[in-house]
Amino acid sequence: DVKVTQSSRYLVKRTGEKVFLECVQDMDHENMFWYRQDPGLGLRLIYFSYDVKMKEKGDIPEGYSVSREKKERFSLILESASTNQTSMYLCASSLWSGSSYEQYFGPGTRLTVT
Amino acid sequence: EDQVTQSPEALRLQEGESSSLNCSYTVSGLRGLFWYRQDPGKGPEFLFTLYSAGEEKEKERLKATLTKKESFLHITAPKPEDSATYLCASGREGYQKVTFGIGTKLQVIP
Repeated sequence: DVKVTQSSRYLVKRTGEKVFLECVQDMDHENMFWYRQDPGLGLRLIYFSYDVKMKEKGDIPEGYSVSREKKERFSLILESASTNQTSMYLCASSLWSGSSYEQYFGPGTRLTVT
Repeated sequence: EDQVTQSPEALRLQEGESSSLNCSYTVSGLRGLFWYRQDPGKGPEFLFTLYSAGEEKEKERLKATLTKKESFLHITAPKPEDSATYLCASGREGYQKVTFGIGTKLQVIP
């Protein structure tokens, strides 16, 4: 079974703090993603990575950065947390294999910034 | 710009009352159309990928179908445990990222 794990289920941080969200996958997937999910807005892509040390901006990268030093690990960094970054953060990994595609999500981290 | 639109936003069914969820998409060069189930407070769970018009896939009470503009998720004789939000997403040829719809929140009443 594919497993995507995230470092925390719930996190409470103060405005201005630097926040690290960690994601690990155990299926040797090349692609990894960070999304945030907000009511009425659905899943929005923050950043994704298609290889170690490679990254691309998604639809809403402002205020975030990412790091991928190892294939199985993808980190999301909030440089200076703000209240509008309160959200559910979801990590995913995926594999296109010839004509088949699979994308699997972690359990999510609910971040509250006060 | 790729777009995925799901309808209805919310659906309430009696147990055993079959229905369909709709996902319409505008994607240039569709590579795959994906369905997920999401329970409250959890990450989406992968259900199906459909690759070409006419394709169908089934899993228990769920059947997903695909046309050139839409996908349907048919739920036959639903049970309360089928209550969840169902997400549709599309992937484009040559791109690794996918575009998600907002989802349909399904509630099945005993």
